Amino acid sequence: GAGVSQSPSNKVTEKGKDVELRCDPISGHTALYWYRQSLGQGLEFLIYFQGNSAPDKSGLPSDRFSAERTGGSVSTLTIQRTQQEDSAVYLCASSSTGGYHSGNTIYFGEGSWLTVV
Amino acid sequence: AQRVTQPEKLLSVFKGAPVELKCNYSYSGSPELFWYVQYSRQRLQLLLRHISRESIKGFTADLNKGETSFHLKKPFAQEEDSAMYYCALTRIGAGNMLTFGGGTRLMVKP
Repeated sequence: GAGVSQSPSNKVTEKGKDVELRCDPISGHTALYWYRQSLGQGLEFLIYFQGNSAPDKSGLPSDRFSAERTGGSVSTLTIQRTQQEDSAVYLCASSSTGGYHSGNTIYFGEGSWLTVV
Repeated sequence: AQRVTQPEKLLSVFKGAPVELKCNYSYSGSPELFWYVQYSRQRLQLLLRHISRESIKGFTADLNKGETSFHLKKPFAQEEDSAMYYCALTRIGAGNMLTFGGGTRLMVKP
């Protein structure tokens, strides 16, 4: 596609429910990233994929959070037993390669706004 | 560990005034630094990167390794520059993964 696509764009869920957020990266991009943008908290790294592998999961805030990527393309971020503090914008980004100092640009999606009530 | 600090959460200036958005970093390796911008209701997008030494929309940023800073500057602010600005740093061993500062909201008043 023309850009990184995320769905749903908005999600309101009840506390304790599970949610899945989807990311379609730019076609051909091997690197995919998930970030969280909370009110007043800035941008927080969650997880990074190179192909289908996740060499860096250090940012996942708890074991309620998980992510997978299949076929080197679509990724799903799953939050189990959601809590109110999970309310945030979840941003997905992709780039054409994961090489350090490669000079490649990271492109962001518009985000999925999650509200836990 | 790497860290990016943007000391100002909000910066308000009048149109035509100079702007400087501060960014300081801590990183033991050789950094690659970026400025990202998020306009109202738009996605986060790259503004500029230090290796390109470019000027985008009148903005420039110089990497000062001695002061570990990468401040964003524009000599004459425009109303359309009002946005959220994030300074970011790459991290060795994790591809192009970015560590972001907390962001500075720039408001340019008419």
